[in-house]
Amino acid sequence: KAGVTQTPRYLIKTRGQQVTLSCSPISGHRSVSWYQQTPGQGLQFLFEYFSETQRNKGNFPGRFSGRQFSNSRSEMNVSTLELGDSALYLCASSLGGGREAFFGQGTRLTVV
Amino acid sequence: GENVEQHPSTLSVQEGDSAVIKCTYSDSASNYFPWYKQELGKRPQLIIDIRSNVGEKKDQRIAVTLNKTAKHFSLHITETQPEDSAVYFCAASHGSSNTGKLIFGQGTTLQVKP
Repeated sequence: KAGVTQTPRYLIKTRGQQVTLSCSPISGHRSVSWYQQTPGQGLQFLFEYFSETQRNKGNFPGRFSGRQFSNSRSEMNVSTLELGDSALYLCASSLGGGREAFFGQGTRLTVV
Repeated sequence: GENVEQHPSTLSVQEGDSAVIKCTYSDSASNYFPWYKQELGKRPQLIIDIRSNVGEKKDQRIAVTLNKTAKHFSLHITETQPEDSAVYFCAASHGSSNTGKLIFGQGTTLQVKP
């Protein structure tokens, strides 16, 4: 069974640009959550999608958005990038609440 | 709001000793508590989880205890080995609402000295 796949693995962007990250969940998993990981803040919840609907949203500005497609693949978009957006972005898929969440390897975003 | 506090932030033990990491959660509706291990440069991986209808769960050298009244849960690693060195994260979730959302603690860097 293939694991959670995130692309690209690394990105370097300039302030003000926008970026789109992709996450392919484990087959059969309809819940996809996104997290931002930084050394100072740990793992912070961005949002969760389930069956193409955003079910939960964390405390991030509107520049952070996402979507989920009918095959459960998810994308997240960050517009007007700021230096502070530099982080490892992780997605996790699961069957739903109270079930093991499997993480992808992450996308390392650097904003210069 | 939802919050999970984790202590200590760093922990250094001798090989063979035990290690204990503690977490406190704020939302009394939380009922699913997983623990993740993240090795340097790798993705977080689940090592053990517990649900609110259980007070303790054990898997070989790893155990987790839950005190719902105090809203505390802890990870216990016995007979530590150098390969246990990693960052450990606790998390809390509303399992009954079927959400996959996890609120994580700040992480504990565990160093096991040979």
